[in-house]
Formats: sequence, structure tokens, C-alpha cells
Amino acid sequence: EADIYQTPRYLVIGTGKKITLECSQTMGHDKMYWYQQDPGMELHLIHYSYGVNSTEKGDLSSESTVSRIRTEHFPLTLESARPSHTSQYLCASSEGGTGDTEAFFGQGTRLTVV
Amino acid sequence: GQSLEQPSEVTAVEGAIVQINCTYQTSGFYGLSWYQQHDGGAPTFLSYNALDGLEETGRFSSFLSRSDSYGYLLLQELQMKDSASYFCAMNRDDKIIFGKGTRLHILP
Repeated sequence: EADIYQTPRYLVIGTGKKITLECSQTMGHDKMYWYQQDPGMELHLIHYSYGVNSTEKGDLSSESTVSRIRTEHFPLTLESARPSHTSQYLCASSEGGTGDTEAFFGQGTRLTVV
Repeated sequence: GQSLEQPSEVTAVEGAIVQINCTYQTSGFYGLSWYQQHDGGAPTFLSYNALDGLEETGRFSSFLSRSDSYGYLLLQELQMKDSASYFCAMNRDDKIIFGKGTRLHILP
């Protein structure tokens, strides 16, 4: 069973608020990812990290930011939430070997901005 | 552009066999993976093909043809619990990227 955790599971917040979505994994994985997914839709990569102090933007432009100060922790922050940010945010990790495609996902945070 | 193409929806009957196809484009290819995602849930890893051929895991099998840049997921003896979205995935530029997903509808 995957040991990757996201909090909160659900969040309803007002426009303009700052929020941080938490993601932690206990598998010691170097690579971590944030995906954004609307219901029934594709997974869009918005951020990824190869290891501590390494962060990169993904294929889908996002106003969010991430940090990777510790291997196990990869939080995502929105400085000023807007209704367009309403979506599900999925965190994942992988061992990081060459060409690896096996990612372990958290249960996601469903964000609603009102 | 999109590197992985798969049908948006597939419908099959309980107890039958269904195949979900995936074609890909990439300059450096390491292999193709498949994930299952139930409504409201997180994607879970199903299988991985690095070499040509068929990989079997219980009722699920996955196939890869590198020369055709093509793979498929085969689900046998379909059960209602198999109703879900299925994503093919690959590693591109050291990132795991996903196809748009195929919604599998199963009729009783």
C-alpha cells in the first residue's frame, strides 16, 4: 500500500485567500509530482521535483508554487485563490529510476474556491 | 501536442473482454504503463511494459509494440467493479505524463 498522504481531502475557501495543500510520503522517493484534474478529465502535470531543493513547472501553466525542503514533503501553495483554481489536486511520488513510470498517488485534495 | 492518444470512452458487457488502445509519440521511450482510477479516487498503477509483448496480471493484460508505437490494456471477465477510467502513461523528459484517459462503461 502506498504511503503518500494529502491534506486536506476537501477544502472550500473564499476568493483571495492563501492556501497550502500538504503532501507527504514515507517511501523515500526522490521524485514527486503535482497533477491537476477536473472530474472525468485528464491529469495535467503542474509541478514536479527531482529531489530536495529541486522544483520545476509542469506542462500546464499554474499560478501555484511548490517547495521541496525535505525529501518527504512537497507542499503546494496558492497565494490568492480564485474560482478558476477549483479542481482536484493530486500529489504523487516515484522512485526516480531512469524512465520510471510507476507513480504512487495520494487521495487528492478537492479544492473549491467560492 | 499530446504525446499519448487513447479513446475517450469504451462500453462493454459484464463478463466480456475489452481492449483499450493507446498510441504514443516520443523521442526517448522507456516503456508504457497503465493506471486505473475510480470516480472520486486516486489513480492506481496496474502494469508496465518495457519490452514488446504481453504482460499478464490476473484478469488484466497489457501489450506493447514499440515498432508501432502502440499498446493496449486487455480486461477479461469484466466485472461491474471494473467500471473506471484507465490511463496509459509514459516517461517523457524524466516526467511521468498521462493520456487523457478512457472511461470504461460496463453494462449488466
